[in-house]
Amino acid sequence: GQQLNQSPQSMFIQEGEDVSMNCTSSSIFNTWLWYKQDPGEGPVLLIALYKAGELTSNGRLTAQFGITRKDSFLNISASIPSDVGIYFCAGQLYGGAQKLVFGQGTRLTINP
Amino acid sequence: KAGVTQTPRYLIKTRGQQVTLSCSPISGHRSVSWYQQTPGQGLQFLFEYFSETQRNKGNFPGRFSGRQFSNSRSEMNVSTLELGDSALYLCASSSLAGQETQYFGPGTRLLVL
Repeated sequence: GQQLNQSPQSMFIQEGEDVSMNCTSSSIFNTWLWYKQDPGEGPVLLIALYKAGELTSNGRLTAQFGITRKDSFLNISASIPSDVGIYFCAGQLYGGAQKLVFGQGTRLTINP
Repeated sequence: KAGVTQTPRYLIKTRGQQVTLSCSPISGHRSVSWYQQTPGQGLQFLFEYFSETQRNKGNFPGRFSGRQFSNSRSEMNVSTLELGDSALYLCASSSLAGQETQYFGPGTRLLVL
């Protein structure tokens, strides 16, 4: 099925470091979403972006909706152990369908 | 406000059996979507229901079906289970009032033996 190109696939960092991940698509989306998933649980919404060029923060997290509407990035500043998990980007189109298209995920591991 | 709930959380079935999973959306949410998550394929969209009608469907065989009730609760059914149906099945709800985002439940982990 269709997927977004998310990179990197995995990251191994030291606690306190900043993290950056991004997603690109050949398709335009109306909304970009970033989720975090812990093992055995469902994805939890971190940030939602609704307009091209929009830059939104949620605590130590910052995400931007690319101006072309085909990409988005997520930054995590000053990482802490609870940031460990898998981060997914998702693109959403409107117009009668609520279908989300997901990236492959970025697995974040933090060395204390 | 309570989140999306899914039952059961874990399920073990054998090939050829059928299974029904249940999802209760966030109160007031009328749209329910289902996703399958596997290590190989990632998160894949199954279908979406709104006001008891299926509005969109992903690329899954007809063995995968669903329905939505008048109280917005939804069920999905998989018939004639195959080993490859082992996955985490996730339900997400949204209210559809303008620019809406989807909120996920914890999922049902299905293992087919």
